[in-house]
Amino acid sequence: VRLVESGGGLVTSGGSLRLSCATSGFPFSSYSLSWVRQAPGKGLEWVSSISSTGAYIYYADSVKGRFTISRDRATSSVILQMNALRAEETAVYYCARLQLLGSGWGCDFWGQGTLVTVSS
Amino acid sequence: SYVLTQPPSVSVAPGQTAMITCGGTIFGSKTDWYQQKPGQAPALVMYDDSDRPSGIPERFSGSKSGNTATLTISRVEAGDEADYYCQVWDSGTAHVLFGAGTKLTVL
Repeated sequence: VRLVESGGGLVTSGGSLRLSCATSGFPFSSYSLSWVRQAPGKGLEWVSSISSTGAYIYYADSVKGRFTISRDRATSSVILQMNALRAEETAVYYCARLQLLGSGWGCDFWGQGTLVTVSS
Repeated sequence: SYVLTQPPSVSVAPGQTAMITCGGTIFGSKTDWYQQKPGQAPALVMYDDSDRPSGIPERFSGSKSGNTATLTISRVEAGDEADYYCQVWDSGTAHVLFGAGTKLTVL
């Protein structure tokens, strides 16, 4: 199982950025995927999830209306389009496979993350 | 909304037992735990309160009492030094919730 994020970089406040997570090693269409971020020196914050078919999409309240998650079956990738970025959203953004672990959902595999820096 | 409460830090000597708690878990919901070493991505070390993923040592165990989950690390080693995060899934909203994390220091 491999997840590789890309697309991070420096953007000014109010700007946009598109993150991509290329997956391999598992049947892409069978798994839900999530984005989780971590501000420098801070804890983990869930951002968004998308179901295996793309039919169900969920966002943290803090990003709803500004971020859009999608999946591309052709490239086995999950995308996070981030608009109206804020300085406090500077963080490492991780892509993670969301799996039904027993009776609850959790992230069983993670990418190495991509750094997003939002300058004010 | 739910808030998962973890102690900011836990310190333990090598060979001793470390216990990291996670309070405020959702009733009926299971708790997962992640280990994050400096400069690395998080890694799942416990799921469904007390099940270990493949490759996780038996020294790691999990339990739950009431609305508090506990990750126990027996015979702590220097390599266990890391940040540990609890996580639950809110079935009502399908949101993933993380605790603030606990820094485990091996003295």
